[in-house]
Amino acid sequence: QVQLQESGPGLVKPSETLSLTCSVSGYSIGTGFYWGWIRQSPGKGLEYIGSIFHGGPTYYNPSLKSRVTVSLDTSNNQFSLRLSSMTAADTAVYFCARVPVVRPYYFDYWGQGTLVAVSS
Amino acid sequence: SYVLTQAPSVSVAPGKTARITCGGNNIGGKSVHWYQQKPGQAPVLVIYYDRERPSGIPQRFSGSNSENTATLTISGVEAEDEADYFCQVWDSTSDHVVFGGGTKLTVL
Repeated sequence: QVQLQESGPGLVKPSETLSLTCSVSGYSIGTGFYWGWIRQSPGKGLEYIGSIFHGGPTYYNPSLKSRVTVSLDTSNNQFSLRLSSMTAADTAVYFCARVPVVRPYYFDYWGQGTLVAVSS
Repeated sequence: SYVLTQAPSVSVAPGKTARITCGGNNIGGKSVHWYQQKPGQAPVLVIYYDRERPSGIPQRFSGSNSENTATLTISGVEAEDEADYFCQVWDSTSDHVVFGGGTKLTVL
């Protein structure tokens, strides 16, 4: 059974960079599939952020592309999200997920989510 | 940008059939995926590629997609099906992943 678990700070200051990690168990992320991030906020609903494939390309939401980096750490079976220049609008629950296919995308396993607030 | 429209809420009695719709311009030409989300939990994929059901999802969940409306049908609704349901597509024109606003299913 594939399981994902997000970790990271619950509070980030405006203009700072958010760093989140997703630990995966039950599947070796270097074997295959894409791995990605989605966030959910009351104002904007669910929003795709980006995804990555081991040894392959990354795919980012065009609206966030200038601020987003998704990376893979196969040695620790983890992948990460960095989102720069955080503002209050980035306050949301951040989910990591497995992405069986991109273009079109869907998400078959999700982490429980971690709430990130942006405030000074 | 591409927009998916869902009714905010649907109510159904136990044992009846719930139909949750997702409207979009020529959505029949896209692949639609559906997620169930209970309070405080992560979304769960219940239907992918319009009508495919992941392993472990009960047979009472089914999907269809035609013209401008995709539909998630839950036959013989059970109390445990009470949740928010979101549809999702990928818009190739904008290269955006698009989610609907969600429908809250209430089991009476």
